[in-house]
Amino acid sequence: DVKVTQSSRYLVKRTGEKVFLECVQDMDHENMFWYRQDPGLGLRLIYFSYDVKMKEKGDIPEGYSVSREKKERFSLILESASTNQTSMYLCASSLYLGGSNQPQHFGDGTRLSIL
Amino acid sequence: GQQVMQIPQYQHVQEGEDFTTYCNSSTTLSNIQWYKQRPGGHPVFLIQLVKSGEVKKQKRLTFQFGEAKKNSSLHITATQTTDVGTYFCAGLYNFNKFYFGSGTKLNVKP
Repeated sequence: DVKVTQSSRYLVKRTGEKVFLECVQDMDHENMFWYRQDPGLGLRLIYFSYDVKMKEKGDIPEGYSVSREKKERFSLILESASTNQTSMYLCASSLYLGGSNQPQHFGDGTRLSIL
Repeated sequence: GQQVMQIPQYQHVQEGEDFTTYCNSSTTLSNIQWYKQRPGGHPVFLIQLVKSGEVKKQKRLTFQFGEAKKNSSLHITATQTTDVGTYFCAGLYNFNKFYFGSGTKLNVKP
């Protein structure tokens, strides 16, 4: 079974802090994604990566950056945390096979509170 | 930009009743995926539809992809309490970017 592990289940940070959310997958997937989930808004894509050192902006990249130095690890960085970034953050990975995107496998999420 | 509209936002049914959630896109999708998120859990993949007019079944769940590949539906026959959760569609555009619908939260009363 695919395992996507997010480093923290709950995290509390202060406004202005630099925040790192880590995600590791164990199935050699090419694609990795970061979403935030807010009530009534569903999952909104922040960034995704289809290969090491490659990244693409999603719907809401402002205030975030990402890093993918190794295939198995995809980090989300909040450069200067603000209260409107309080949310549930979900990481996902998927295989890219024969020109087709495969199902996404999600981690358990990190509930981030910015005070 | 592209987005996937999903309705209804909430649905409360009595156990045994049917349930349907709909997703619509203004532009053609490459494919569409459906996910279920149990309360307190993370989204779990259910199925992927690729072909125009495709219909797939998983026990009491029926998934349809429209002829124009712009809409999709998930229908549950005779709901059970184990069906409780939020159902999301995720549309793929140009084979490289997914957009999730806002989800339909299903509550089933025993």
